[in-house]
Amino acid sequence: GAGVSQSPSNKVTEKGKDVELRCDPISGHTALYWYRQSLGQGLEFLIYFQGNSAPDKSGLPSDRFSAERTGGSVSTLTIQRTQQEDSAVYLCASSLAGGRAEAFFGQGTRLTVV
Amino acid sequence: AQKVTQAQTEISVVEKEDVTLDCVYETRDTTYYLFWYKQPPSGELVFLIRRNSFDEQNEISGRYSWNFQKSTSSFNFTITASQVVDSAVYFCALSERRRDDKIIFGKGTRLHILP
Repeated sequence: GAGVSQSPSNKVTEKGKDVELRCDPISGHTALYWYRQSLGQGLEFLIYFQGNSAPDKSGLPSDRFSAERTGGSVSTLTIQRTQQEDSAVYLCASSLAGGRAEAFFGQGTRLTVV
Repeated sequence: AQKVTQAQTEISVVEKEDVTLDCVYETRDTTYYLFWYKQPPSGELVFLIRRNSFDEQNEISGRYSWNFQKSTSSFNFTITASQVVDSAVYFCALSERRRDDKIIFGKGTRLHILP
């Protein structure tokens, strides 16, 4: 498909387990974002990759969260030792030219920690 | 640091009324970009508009219009003759050019259009 693809669409995990969320951005987009949206809340910025620059990790809520982007394309967001407060929808977006261009969003991964 | 404020948490209007969603931003950069997104009940974020800081012309697209005023650091969004399908959460967002920076979103305004 031509859009941003996220997998899985839903993930239920036990507290304390690690999870990996995947994002396939639109081909050719140099910028990739991860956001978190808790129920009924706004979009909380997590991390931003732009080209070959060092990622902006300023939004990661704790050291249990990490993300990487391999080959300037696919990205994985990893949450270690999940907690119930990590339950949210995790949204990935990509754009053609960083913050100068609009970001296109995936459908999100709904994470539930039980 | 960049900041976006959407003071209206929730708005309800009757169908066919006009409604304006407010957005106030803060930035120290002289070049920046403003965005509006729509998130319908289905959950997918839909891009509506992008403006750069050098273009203060208001824009109209069908029933949607945007009023960008640098003097008041505002980028307001008006829906004319609202329809039930306009019910959604609307997000205003900002990015700064200086550091090719990330897009930061406001907390959103939940709009209910009542039939």
